[in-house]
Amino acid sequence: EADIYQTPRYLVIGTGKKITLECSQTMGHDKMYWYQQDPGMELHLIHYSYGVNSTEKGDLSSESTVSRIRTEHFPLTLESARPSHTSQYLCASSEGGRDRGQPQHFGDGTRLSIL
Amino acid sequence: AQSVAQPEDQVNVAEGNPLTVKCTYSVSGNPYLFWYVQYPNRGLQFLLKYITGDNLVKGSYGFEAEFNKSQTSFHLKKPSALVSDSALYFCAVRVPGGFKTIFGAGTRLFVKA
Repeated sequence: EADIYQTPRYLVIGTGKKITLECSQTMGHDKMYWYQQDPGMELHLIHYSYGVNSTEKGDLSSESTVSRIRTEHFPLTLESARPSHTSQYLCASSEGGRDRGQPQHFGDGTRLSIL
Repeated sequence: AQSVAQPEDQVNVAEGNPLTVKCTYSVSGNPYLFWYVQYPNRGLQFLLKYITGDNLVKGSYGFEAEFNKSQTSFHLKKPSALVSDSALYFCAVRVPGGFKTIFGAGTRLFVKA
C-alpha cells in the first residue's frame, strides 16, 4: 500500500470560503500531482510539481493554487470556493530521476462539496 | 494529439469467466503503458505496466495485459473473474521522459456471481 495521505476525506462547505486540501507522502517522491475527478469519471490533471519550489499548471484550467515547500507536502488551495468546484480531488506522487516507467501512487482523495 | 481510448464504458462478466477490458492509444514513439484500478471512494491503484520486452505482462491480483504494437492496443485480461474484481479500470500512457500521464476515460467492470 502506497504511503500517500489526503485530508480531509470529505468536506462540505459554503460558497466563498477559503479551502486547503492537504496531501502528504512518506516515500520521498520528487514528483507530485493533483487531479480533479468527478465520481467514476476520467481524471483531469490540474497541477504538478517536479520537486521543491517547482509547480506547474496542468491541462484543466483551475482556480486553485498549489505550493511545494517540502518534498513530502503538496497542498492545494481554493481562495474562494464556488459550487463549480464541487468534485473529487486526487493527489498522486511518483519517483523522480530518469523516467523508467515509474507508476503514480494515489491518495484516497478528497470529496469536496460547495453549497 | 495524444490520446487513450477505452471503447467500452462497461463490461459485464460472470464470475469464473475470463474478462477483457480494452484499451487503444494514439501516442508517438514507444510509450510506457499502464493499468490502474479504482474501487469506490478510493484512489487509483497501480496494476501493471509495459515498458519493453515480452508482449504479455503480468500484474497484481492475477491480472495480465497484452501489448500489440501494430494495433496500438494494451488490453487487460484475467483468466477467471472474481466478484471482488468489480471496479473502475483506467488505461494510461506516458511518453518516455515526458511528465504527463494520459488516462483513458475508464471502464466499469461488473462481475456477477
